[in-house]
Amino acid sequence: DAGVTQSPTHLIKTRGQHVTLRCSPISGHKSVSWYQQVLGQGPQFIFQYYEKEERGRGNFPDRFSARQFPNYSSELNVNALLLGDSALYLCASSLWEGAAEAFFGQGTRLTVV
Amino acid sequence: GQQLNQSPQSMFIQEGEDVSMNCTSSSIFNTWLWYKQDPGEGPVLLIALYKAGELTSNGRLTAQFGITRKDSFLNISASIPSDVGIYFCAGQEGGSEKLVFGKGTKLTVNP
Repeated sequence: DAGVTQSPTHLIKTRGQHVTLRCSPISGHKSVSWYQQVLGQGPQFIFQYYEKEERGRGNFPDRFSARQFPNYSSELNVNALLLGDSALYLCASSLWEGAAEAFFGQGTRLTVV
Repeated sequence: GQQLNQSPQSMFIQEGEDVSMNCTSSSIFNTWLWYKQDPGEGPVLLIALYKAGELTSNGRLTAQFGITRKDSFLNISASIPSDVGIYFCAGQEGGSEKLVFGKGTKLTVNP
């Protein structure tokens, strides 16, 4: 069975630009969460989506947004990129909304220059 | 953002040695998880703990959910070179969907 897949794997953007990251959860999983991992730190929670609705949001500015599609895949959008947005963005899928066991994709490495 | 206190930050050990690391929080968690992350990869779930006092094993790995629900421990027995990586603890509060992570313990195993 395929695990969580994310695309692209690497991305370089210029300050002020917009970026869209994509995630496909494990088959049968209905909950998708997004995390930002800065070098040397643990992942930080950004969003959780379940059944296409936002169920939780971390302490991130409104430049960050996301959505979930009917097939449970998800997009993370970041507007007006800053240098500090450079990080590994991780998508995690869970069976259902409150399931603690989250399975991560390989991440998208975003570099903002 | 909120992070758990994970220690030690790094460990250098010889192959065959046992390893212990721990994680503490000021908050009570309903679930504790342990992940391993290799360079350029996403975290891989190792063990999940759901009840205070619970002791769970996965091969050479053993983890415990602290009685106070504010801490957890991970032990690796008879380490091997492929154990190299960064180990993260993560906690989930009751009624919350998010995981709160520690800063990680970087493990180096010398053959």
